[in-house]
Amino acid sequence: KQEVTQIPAALSVPEGENLVLNCSFTDSAIYNLQWFRQDPGKGLTSLLLIQSSQREQTSGRLNASLDKSSGRSTLYIAASQPGDSATYLCAVRDSNSGYALNFGKGTSLLVTP
Amino acid sequence: EAGVAQSPRYKIIEKRQSVAFWCNPISGHATLYWYQQILGQGPKLLIQFQNNGVVDDSQLPKDRFSAERLKGVDSTLKIQPAKLEDSAVYLCASSLIGNEQFFGPGTRLTVL
Repeated sequence: KQEVTQIPAALSVPEGENLVLNCSFTDSAIYNLQWFRQDPGKGLTSLLLIQSSQREQTSGRLNASLDKSSGRSTLYIAASQPGDSATYLCAVRDSNSGYALNFGKGTSLLVTP
Repeated sequence: EAGVAQSPRYKIIEKRQSVAFWCNPISGHATLYWYQQILGQGPKLLIQFQNNGVVDDSQLPKDRFSAERLKGVDSTLKIQPAKLEDSAVYLCASSLIGNEQFFGPGTRLTVL
């Protein structure tokens, strides 16, 4: 059974810092990996989707990498802003179990002015 | 393009009562998912539909939870009777077959 772990559980940084969020998964037979953002009381917003054949994806100040063989992904946020404060969730879609996503517990990020 | 719609946004009930949630997916999305997110956890899949049919309901507590997707569009998720541990956010998502999932705002359920 796929297990997805996110470290750290919580992170507080001053505005302007670059930061890295980590995600690890136990079964490397994945179809793709997705990073989401969740604001309090809101649904999930998709940030980046990396297919299993890709190594990284970029969108604005966000860069996500994928190392399937080691079961790891990182989300890099450049020049953080207070508006980046949210919970970031990593989700893996397995190759063998349909289309459902397996989520980590998330990293709660606070960017202070 | 309109996103995934869910209602109600919030619901408070007492244990042993019944409750139903509604989801309207993005137009043209054949696949619809219901996830349960307990506070401090990541979402967990309850049930997945493809058009009218159920693809995966292995984690749905079938003694109290039921779901249907009429005409392959809207879906309802019902809990009867509710337990305290059902307090959670219920998220609906939709996708084209095998593609990126788009999530609705969720329904926050509190069972007292």
